[in-house]
Amino acid sequence: GNSVTQMEGPVTLSEEAFLTINCTYTATGYPSLFWYVQYPGEGLQLLLKATKADDKGSNKGFEATYRKETTSFHLEKGSVQVSDSAVYFCALSYTSGTYKYIFGTGTRLKVLA
Amino acid sequence: GAVVSQHPSWVICKSGTSVKIECRSLDFQATTMFWYRQFPKQSLMLMATSNEGSKATYEQGVEKDKFLINHASLTLSTLTVTSAHPEDSSFYICSARLAGGPYLPTDTQYFGPGTRLTVL
Repeated sequence: GNSVTQMEGPVTLSEEAFLTINCTYTATGYPSLFWYVQYPGEGLQLLLKATKADDKGSNKGFEATYRKETTSFHLEKGSVQVSDSAVYFCALSYTSGTYKYIFGTGTRLKVLA
Repeated sequence: GAVVSQHPSWVICKSGTSVKIECRSLDFQATTMFWYRQFPKQSLMLMATSNEGSKATYEQGVEKDKFLINHASLTLSTLTVTSAHPEDSSFYICSARLAGGPYLPTDTQYFGPGTRLTVL
């Protein structure tokens, strides 16, 4: 079946450090891939997405590339800020009769000043 | 664009009472809305999928008689937690999928800010 695996957190970084949060997936067909961010006490906000192999999603300095050969969609940012502290969810969408999302377990990022 | 609101943002109720949570897509029409439940420091668990004008589809293990979903229009879905108990305390999040159009992709879900339910 379809699944999403994220690296476990929490991830603690100093401000301006490089960030990588790993995400791999298992899916039949051609899912779309997403990264969502959740700030404390809030819902999820779409951070970026990619709909086909080799697509790169980017937003607010974050990037992720849809790698079909490695079934990965790792999230990266060159220089994190304290305001990036949040929980990051990797997700895929697929259609098999019905349309659904599958979420990873989330990775908590804490950035220290 | 693609803003989803939820009301209320938090609610505290007594055990045995019912609570209704509204989910609205403010600037687009949603063919499908989804209801999720999130436990502390955990991922989202899909509870049900709701299509406008038809019955909701519940995930395995979710009691349809306890979590009543109504999707009366393309911009509104409601979740009613009936006879709430302390174990129903959680963060409930809805999302909406675009009905279709040239400006927003249909494979993306847009999430509401969530409703924190506390049952005493």
